[in-house]
Amino acid sequence: AQTVTQSQPEMSVQEAETVTLSCTYDTSESDYYLFWYKQPPSRQMILVIRQEAYKQQNATENRFSVNFQKAAKSFSLKISDSQLGDAAMYFCAYRSRMDSSYKLIFGSGTRLLVRP
Amino acid sequence: ETGVTQTPRHLVMGMTNKKSLKCEQHLGHNAMYWYKQSAKKPLELMFVYSLEERVENNSVPSRFSPECPNSSHLFLHLHTLQPEDSALYLCASSHQTGFLPQYFGPGTRLTVL
Repeated sequence: AQTVTQSQPEMSVQEAETVTLSCTYDTSESDYYLFWYKQPPSRQMILVIRQEAYKQQNATENRFSVNFQKAAKSFSLKISDSQLGDAAMYFCAYRSRMDSSYKLIFGSGTRLLVRP
Repeated sequence: ETGVTQTPRHLVMGMTNKKSLKCEQHLGHNAMYWYKQSAKKPLELMFVYSLEERVENNSVPSRFSPECPNSSHLFLHLHTLQPEDSALYLCASSHQTGFLPQYFGPGTRLTVL
């Protein structure tokens, strides 16, 4: 069974600085997706960024980018030029492309605090 | 606001009650989801609907009964729940492609006494 681990329950970053959130996963599959979701205090979670495992190029969405290391099964999220609005819970998630389920496997989340 | 609304935001019910959670989206999405977020546990997918048809039931007990009358509305009917069902229930929606939830609602905080 696949698992997703976020080992940092909480991280803190100074406004305008860069922070990296860690995520590791365990799978025996070769084809899958990885995602980062953001859940602000209002609890309306949104998809931030996605990565297909077959793509070597790291995904980027504005100030958000990932460092995908397939061999190491690592999928970290880098937030550049942090803003107060980035404060939220961040969830890493995995989905197989090799079965018919739409199930996302989520990590336990990392709370990001942004200091003004 | 993400465009996905849920009512009620808080619900307290006894184990013998019957209640319903409602989710609404007007984003033009045609896939909708129910997720359960428990304390100290990762988010768990419960159901997926596409074009009002259930496409996934993730081994959810029958005391949870989903209903999708149209592509904008999703319900979760609750009956004879257990205290361990207390959690935050999140609705989400997306375009059908890939069945990947894009936007979540604010959730209903459910407490079962």
